[in-house]
Amino acid sequence: DAKTTQPPSMDCAEGRAANLPCNHSTISGNEYVYWYRQIHSQGPQYIIHGLKNNETNEMASLIITEDRKSSTLILPHATLRDTAVYYCVLEPSGGYQKVTFGTGTKLQVIP
Amino acid sequence: EPEVTQTPSHQVTQMGQEVILRCVPISNHLYFYWYRQILGQKVEFLVSFYNNEISEKSEIFDDQFSVERPDGSNFTLKIRSTKLEDSAMYFCASSDPGAADTEAFFGQGTRLTVV
Repeated sequence: DAKTTQPPSMDCAEGRAANLPCNHSTISGNEYVYWYRQIHSQGPQYIIHGLKNNETNEMASLIITEDRKSSTLILPHATLRDTAVYYCVLEPSGGYQKVTFGTGTKLQVIP
Repeated sequence: EPEVTQTPSHQVTQMGQEVILRCVPISNHLYFYWYRQILGQKVEFLVSFYNNEISEKSEIFDDQFSVERPDGSNFTLKIRSTKLEDSAMYFCASSDPGAADTEAFFGQGTRLTVV
């Protein structure tokens, strides 16, 4: 079973920041927070991951609370192409990357 | 950018037939995975493969399923005696065992329809 809790759905206006929350109160010390997304039954796509520090890449920012029990994925300027299901998952880092998907958050970007 | 490729994109088969789904992982990756997604449901892990053997498998991956790396580039999922409930999207993924900080790369999937 997935070890994270996410809201089932969210809306965001195009051009605004999308903030997707994730709770992971039972996270272990060696587990990273990973985010993937799936656009309309396409293959899941990696977005970002982090251990305890905030991370930013060309796609998004990841904010992890100090106690590591929750995190927020931020898409700074959402576009219609960001409409997707977003998955927050916990995985150890390293080469073996089995992903245990939950039900994720369905983000609808509205024009 | 390197990518995982899957063929075919869509396969229709009759119930009871055998199908082989094909994947070409990223060239320097050595961990390979298959996942399944039944329409409207979540993505489910089936099996992982490393060093020419299964490293982990789920309860879904029973004797009906098998995986193989027949050559240096392909990774296949065979489903024997297909059933209607095997209809789903099947995703292949790969990752780099030598990387300390990496992610899984997924293909675009094969839609299997059993009729």
